[in-house]
Amino acid sequence: DTAVSQTPKYLVTQMGNDKSIKCEQNLGHDTMYWYKQDSKKFLKIMFSYNNKELIINETVPNRFSPKSPDKAHLNLHINSLELGDSAVYFCASSQVAGGRGYYGYTFGSGTRLTVV
Amino acid sequence: EDKVVQSPLSLVVHEGDTVTLNCSYEVTNFRSLLWYKQEKKAPTFLFMLTSSGIEKKSGRLSSILDKKELFSILNITATQTGDSAIYLCAVDRDNYGQNFVFGPGTRLSVLP
Repeated sequence: DTAVSQTPKYLVTQMGNDKSIKCEQNLGHDTMYWYKQDSKKFLKIMFSYNNKELIINETVPNRFSPKSPDKAHLNLHINSLELGDSAVYFCASSQVAGGRGYYGYTFGSGTRLTVV
Repeated sequence: EDKVVQSPLSLVVHEGDTVTLNCSYEVTNFRSLLWYKQEKKAPTFLFMLTSSGIEKKSGRLSSILDKKELFSILNITATQTGDSAIYLCAVDRDNYGQNFVFGPGTRLSVLP
């Protein structure tokens, strides 16, 4: 029933490990995003995919690699985790409504990543 | 099931008007409530509220939380066309694996 679902919701891992966060949306939206929430609650966009194609790739370390097997899924893989990667990561999806350019975003509940 | 409700879902005003956006919530293990302004690339963080009755202000924007009645309001005075955006309310939950619940957003359009 959940519209945008992220797994896992909570992840504690050691430095140097590789981990993945999965995201799935069942809304039929054509665009998906990954955001990182910093300690001050600011949300920074990391990646955006439209119909499986990468359209936004902000300056993030290349240890972060997104993968979109289909337009309903956007996974985030992180190699060689560092302490500074600890944050909440949000997945979101959106769909442009008609020709008005309205972007209705739906967010997942977030994944709290703690690197120790 | 935990939920966050925002009202109105859509609002059209003219420059100079004052608007009040509402966010009500029903969640377990409330930790904090956050307001974001959704812009093209990423939401802009506005406020984080944890205690009742303490108004937070930033320029023409202000927000307050009522933990007894389980709601928050976001006020924007002397609106400008640049205030046009979707305003998101999100509640953070203090429980393993539960994390955030986002409201659907209020779409504000400010006309010249």
